[in-house]
Amino acid sequence: AQTVTQSQPEMSVQEAETVTLSCTYDTSESDYYLFWYKQPPSRQMILVIRQEAYKQQNATENRFSVNFQKAAKSFSLKISDSQLGDAAMYFCAYRIYRDDKIIFGKGTRLHILP
Amino acid sequence: GAVVSQHPSWVICKSGTSVKIECRSLDFQATTMFWYRQFPKQSLMLMATSNEGSKATYEQGVEKDKFLINHASLTLSTLTVTSAHPEDSSFYICSGTGHYEQYFGPGTRLTVT
Repeated sequence: AQTVTQSQPEMSVQEAETVTLSCTYDTSESDYYLFWYKQPPSRQMILVIRQEAYKQQNATENRFSVNFQKAAKSFSLKISDSQLGDAAMYFCAYRIYRDDKIIFGKGTRLHILP
Repeated sequence: GAVVSQHPSWVICKSGTSVKIECRSLDFQATTMFWYRQFPKQSLMLMATSNEGSKATYEQGVEKDKFLINHASLTLSTLTVTSAHPEDSSFYICSGTGHYEQYFGPGTRLTVT
């Protein structure tokens, strides 16, 4: 069975600093997607970044980047120049190619300290 | 990006009554929609997968007779919580599969008194 593990229930970072959120997953599939979603207090789910497993290059979206280690089944999110608006719950998620179903980790609550 | 709406955003109902939540894809056709439940400070738990024109597929442990899902068109799926009880109080989120990703609705807060 596929599982997604986020070992950090909460993290804090000083504004303008860099923070890394950890995620590991377990799967026997070779073709899949990995995602990081942000859920701010409004509770609207927002896609932050997506990584296709077949791509070796790490995905990047402005201040957000990932460190994808396929062999280690690790998928961490780095947020650079943290801003107050980055404060939210962050969910790591997984989906296999042939299925639309997404499996979420338990989430990491990120606090930004002014 | 594509937009998914949910209605209502917040509903309060009495124990024993039924409540319907609508999920609409506004600018794309969603062959597949998903329904999630989220308790406070917890992750999203997938309840069921809804395919247009066919019966929903429920996750293990989800009562299909209690949570009725209908996906009558490519832009509308509904979740009906039947004979609601206080333990059904939760935040319900739907999502629709678009061309490249899943798009999430803003959620519906259900409070059963």
